[in-house]
Amino acid sequence: DAGVIQSPRHEVTEMGQEVTLRCKPISGHDYLFWYRQTMMRGLELLIYFNNNVPIDDSGMPEDRFSAKMPNASFSTLKIQPSEPRDSAVYFCASSSWTNSNEQFFGPGTRLTVL
Amino acid sequence: GENVEQHPSTLSVQEGDSAVIKCTYSDSASNYFPWYKQELGKGPQLIIDIRSNVGEKKDQRIAVTLNKTAKHFSLHITETQPEDSAVYFCAATRSNDYKLSFGAGTTVTVRA
Repeated sequence: DAGVIQSPRHEVTEMGQEVTLRCKPISGHDYLFWYRQTMMRGLELLIYFNNNVPIDDSGMPEDRFSAKMPNASFSTLKIQPSEPRDSAVYFCASSSWTNSNEQFFGPGTRLTVL
Repeated sequence: GENVEQHPSTLSVQEGDSAVIKCTYSDSASNYFPWYKQELGKGPQLIIDIRSNVGEKKDQRIAVTLNKTAKHFSLHITETQPEDSAVYFCAATRSNDYKLSFGAGTTVTVRA
């Protein structure tokens, strides 16, 4: 298995632009998580899905952030408009209900907003 | 919600020595405690976990201990090797909850 796939690996954009991060979970996994990692705040859970349905989005910082999971093999995290404080590494992780506590992380997308 | 504190934030050890990282948690209902290792430029990877029905678990050079009364758990790495250099995160959650609360991380450097 290729593991969790994220794209792009690096994104540099200007303040005010829309940013879309993509994730392909491990095949067969039915939980998908989006995290943000910064030096100041560490690893923060933004939102997670079960069977493509958003279960908990309490970690989404504000309305500029939105996430979707149109099918079992694809999810997006969108920031519109982006701000410099959104600069961080964004991780996607997936897990299976048979071992739902173990989360498999992707390589992350490093976002820089100028 | 759960609050996990992790110490130390950095740890430098001589190759072959042991490394110990400690975490405390606040929610007495938490019963699942994983440890993740993050290498530079990669996502965190689960290395070992423990559930509240056991006090200790070992996997080769890595062991984790849990004290539910005191609400703390520790990661022990013996005979450290250069490839053990990474950032280590502890986490805690209830087994029926999918929200992991992570500690702030410990940067471990193994000196050759």
